[in-house]
Amino acid sequence: GNSVTQMEGPVTLSEEAFLTINCTYTATGYPSLFWYVQYPGEGLQLLLKATKADDKGSNKGFEATYRKETTSFHLEKGSVQVSDSAVYFCAFDGDNAGNMLTFGGGTRLMVKP
Amino acid sequence: EPEVTQTPSHQVTQMGQEVILRCVPISNHLYFYWYRQILGQKVEFLVSFYNNEISEKSEIFDDQFSVERPDGSNFTLKIRSTKLEDSAMYFCASIGGNLRSSPLHFGNGTRLTVT
Repeated sequence: GNSVTQMEGPVTLSEEAFLTINCTYTATGYPSLFWYVQYPGEGLQLLLKATKADDKGSNKGFEATYRKETTSFHLEKGSVQVSDSAVYFCAFDGDNAGNMLTFGGGTRLMVKP
Repeated sequence: EPEVTQTPSHQVTQMGQEVILRCVPISNHLYFYWYRQILGQKVEFLVSFYNNEISEKSEIFDDQFSVERPDGSNFTLKIRSTKLEDSAMYFCASIGGNLRSSPLHFGNGTRLTVT
């Protein structure tokens, strides 16, 4: 069935380090892919998205490229900040599933000064 | 910026009791959702609601659950007889159009604790 697999956290980095959070998906059809972020005490917010193969989503220095051949959508940032500390969720919609999202388990990122 | 608001932020209830979780979606949005996240686990889809009826629901959303949009602004999730395993963070969300063109807006969640 449809699923998303993310690397388990927590991921602990020093400020200005390079970040990669791996995400792979199993889905039928041609889903759109999303990264959502949850800051402490808040709801989930859309961070970036990609709607077709080879698209790159980007926002706030974060990037992720839709790789259909490897069914992956890894999140990267070249230089993390303390304010990036949050839980990151990879997700996709099915092209026949309307507006329903399937989420991964979330990866907690902790950035130390 | 308009936001989705949820009340209460934390609800404690005894097993077998009914609970109603409340949400006020963004006013011009058309699609409404409930998701839940059991502590330490993934965010799971419960139900979507459009045009005053359920459009999709997951296996989790059994007869103990119901949703309602009673007055055109509130969107509620009712659990008739809570079980211990219903303890989770419940997120309401809304969207104006399609996921591929518009972001899904989430509330800050209601933490439900069933004792």
